[in-house]
Amino acid sequence: GDSVTQMEGPVTLSEEAFLTINCTYTATGYPSLFWYVQYPGEGLQLLLKATKADDKGSNKGFEATYRKETTSFHLEKGSVQVSDSAVYFCALSVMGYGQNFVFGPGTRLSVLP
Amino acid sequence: GAVVSQHPSRVICKSGTSVKIECRSLDFQATTMFWYRQFPKQSLMLMATSNEGSKATYEQGVEKDKFLINHASLTLSTLTVTSAHPEDSSFYICSASGDRAREQYFGPGTRLTVT
Repeated sequence: GDSVTQMEGPVTLSEEAFLTINCTYTATGYPSLFWYVQYPGEGLQLLLKATKADDKGSNKGFEATYRKETTSFHLEKGSVQVSDSAVYFCALSVMGYGQNFVFGPGTRLSVLP
Repeated sequence: GAVVSQHPSRVICKSGTSVKIECRSLDFQATTMFWYRQFPKQSLMLMATSNEGSKATYEQGVEKDKFLINHASLTLSTLTVTSAHPEDSSFYICSASGDRAREQYFGPGTRLTVT
């Protein structure tokens, strides 16, 4: 079945450090890929998405490129801030198989001042 | 973007009672709504998928009689936890999709505590 794997956290960085959170997937169809962010005590917010190979999603300084050849969608940010501390979920959705999302386990990021 | 609300945001109930959680799409018609459960420090687990006007489809291992889902209109779905027990305490998140595209819009979640 479809699945998403993320690097295990927690990830702790100093402010202004470079961030990479790895995400790889397996899918039986051609998925759309997403990164969601969850701040403490809140629901999920869409951070960025990509719907086809080589697309780059970007938002709030975060970027991720849909790499079909490596089945990856790694999240990057050049300079993190304390306010980026949250849990990040990689997810996929395959059209034609219902609209269900498959979420990765989440990666907790803590940014220290 | 599209907005999905949940009510209540937090609820505390006594063991054995039932509690209803509402999920509303505020500015679009949601043909499909999803209910997820999230345990502390874990990912989201899909509980069920509901299409407006039809019965919900439950994921394996989710008790239909315990988690009653109603999707009576294109803007409202409800999840009722019946005869709640402390192990039902969790964060419940709904999402809604308005078309056949691949994006879902998530509600802010409801934290249920059963004492």
